[in-house]
Amino acid sequence: SQQGEEDPQALSIQEGENATMNCSYKTSINNLQWYRQNSGRGLVHLILIRSNEREKHSGRLRVTLDTSKKSSSLLITASRAADTASYFCATDENTGKLIFGQGTTLQVKP
Amino acid sequence: EAQVTQNPRYLITVTGKKLTVTCSQNMNHEYMSWYRQDPGLGLRQIYYSMNVEVTDKGDVPEGYKVSRKEKRNFPLILESPSPNQTSLYFCASRGGPLTGELFFGEGSRLTVL
Repeated sequence: SQQGEEDPQALSIQEGENATMNCSYKTSINNLQWYRQNSGRGLVHLILIRSNEREKHSGRLRVTLDTSKKSSSLLITASRAADTASYFCATDENTGKLIFGQGTTLQVKP
Repeated sequence: EAQVTQNPRYLITVTGKKLTVTCSQNMNHEYMSWYRQDPGLGLRQIYYSMNVEVTDKGDVPEGYKVSRKEKRNFPLILESPSPNQTSLYFCASRGGPLTGELFFGEGSRLTVL
């Protein structure tokens, strides 16, 4: 079962612009995580936000979580060509399962 | 270096020929999991293991088997592969069943003819 649904599916921006990706989910969660995947490679963890947190920062990344709306957003500020990748949200239920969304493909043009 | 290692990275096989994709982690993690990734479908969980000798089905377990005889290894077995199992497979691990981030292997691209 797919928990997280991401929006948009694809995003193309110019270097220096901000990129925002959204994730919606359906059930109660323990935490929500964001991952990055370069083409065909393994996923790399970016940031984790717990259900009792509303906002979290890590470098150029800012994640928000609204549990009342069951949604999260990932903001990448001052994007670089090297940020070109697919980004996935994953919801961590209290069952030991981490369920991934379908991802947003981000292209940052130099 | 902390890592999850999968082998083989690439494999082309034929329908019905049993194969095993190995996965090993060197982080003493309790939790391990297998995912498959297909275009437009994201990552779907096949099987996961909370600890040694404990495994459970994910969302798409049909046609797969796993075993967890030791903490570091979690092989994925395709007893009789079929073309619909052509996919990119990822093994992942994390410290405990309910804790923290997943560490992913580099993936195994399997083609079943």
